[in-house]
This record gives sequence, structure tokens and C-alpha cells, in this order.
Amino acid sequence: AQSVAQPEDQVNVAEGNPLTVKCTYSVSGNPYLFWYVQYPNRGLQFLLKYITGDNLVKGSYGFEAEFNKSQTSFHLKKPSALVSDSALYFCAVRDPVNAGNNRKLIWGLGTSLAVNP
Amino acid sequence: DGGITQSPKYLFRKEGQNVTLSCEQNLNHDAMYWYRQDPGQGLRLIYYSQIVNDFQKGDIAEGYSVSREKKESFPLTVTSAQKNPTAFYLCASIGGSHTGELFFGEGSRLTVL
Repeated sequence: AQSVAQPEDQVNVAEGNPLTVKCTYSVSGNPYLFWYVQYPNRGLQFLLKYITGDNLVKGSYGFEAEFNKSQTSFHLKKPSALVSDSALYFCAVRDPVNAGNNRKLIWGLGTSLAVNP
Repeated sequence: DGGITQSPKYLFRKEGQNVTLSCEQNLNHDAMYWYRQDPGQGLRLIYYSQIVNDFQKGDIAEGYSVSREKKESFPLTVTSAQKNPTAFYLCASIGGSHTGELFFGEGSRLTVL
């Protein structure tokens, strides 16, 4: 079955340190990969996506993510964390072959990032 | 500015009552989605619509209903048949390609008293 795993429910980092939020997936073929962020009681905001091409993609707010096909991973990274980065982060995957026309996403359960001053 | 507007932001309901959550978008997107979010469970798809006058059940459609009479609007009704309706509800839309990202509204928090 197709699935997305975010193995850490919570990640804690000190402000100024690099951060990584992990995502692995089980989808056949060449999936499209997305990261979203959610602040408390708000909707989700798109951060970045991998469709094709360079494995390192850059997105909003200084975030980047690295696609690794052999490890079926798409980890979110930032070189220097800010307290304002504290939020809930979701990884999502779309299978372009089997999704048909509905463009449905398969979601991870989310990782809560806490950046400590 | 283009975007998705959900209303109300907070809603309280007594058991046995139906409630309708509004979702309006001015992005000219064809596809719209309703998700339910519960703590620790991520996002679960309730209904989606790819075009006006057409919609499909998602993974947890029981106890919910939708309509898509206009491109801009995709209201969700939480019926009394939904056994555990207290949750955060998110509406989203997407533009024309498989590579596009979802745009989300700010959410509606429904509490059943």
C-alpha cells in the first residue's frame, strides 16, 4: 500500500542550529513530493516540492529538501533554525501514475518542530 | 488577493444538529477538497470535487455531504449521522496540473457540545 512516514512525532532544536525533519515514502514509480507547514489553528501553507530534476529543492522561509530515490526519502532541512519555525510540518506524496485525475495526496501524520531560544 | 475563505472559524453545535461549513475560492481552481484534522492523525480526506456538479467520496465520507453548484464554492455539511464531528476542518483547492500544490483555507473548528 502507498504510504508516507514521518518517523518523528516531535523534533527539538536550539535556535541557530540546523534542523532536519524526516520523511520517507512507499510509492511506486516517480512520485511528486511536497512539504507543508501549519501554524497553530491555521491552514497549511506550501513550502516546497520535488517534481523532477535537481535532487535538492529550495523553498519558502529558507527551507530546502533533498530527494533521495534509493532511500525513498525527502527530508526537510534548514541550515539555521528560528524560533518562528516552530510549527507542525507535513510531508505529502502524489503518485502521478495511479492517482488518475483526482490529484489526491498521501499525507504523513506530521512532525511537530520546536525551536528553543 | 486570491485565496480560499472558510467560515465560520469556530462553530459550536449541539448533538443531533446539522451544520454547514463554507468554503469559497477565487483562484479559478477546478479541484477542491475537504479534509478533517484530528490531533496525531494527520489529514484525512472527506470529499473532493474535480469539476462543477461532480464530487467523489474520500476516505471518511460517512456522516458528511457536499455540493458543488459553482466553481468557487464547495460547502461541507456535517450531519447528525457523523458520530464524532468535533474536529478541525480544512478546505483546499488545486490548479490545473498534477504537479501543482494545494492551497488551503484557514480552517473551521467545529465543537459538538
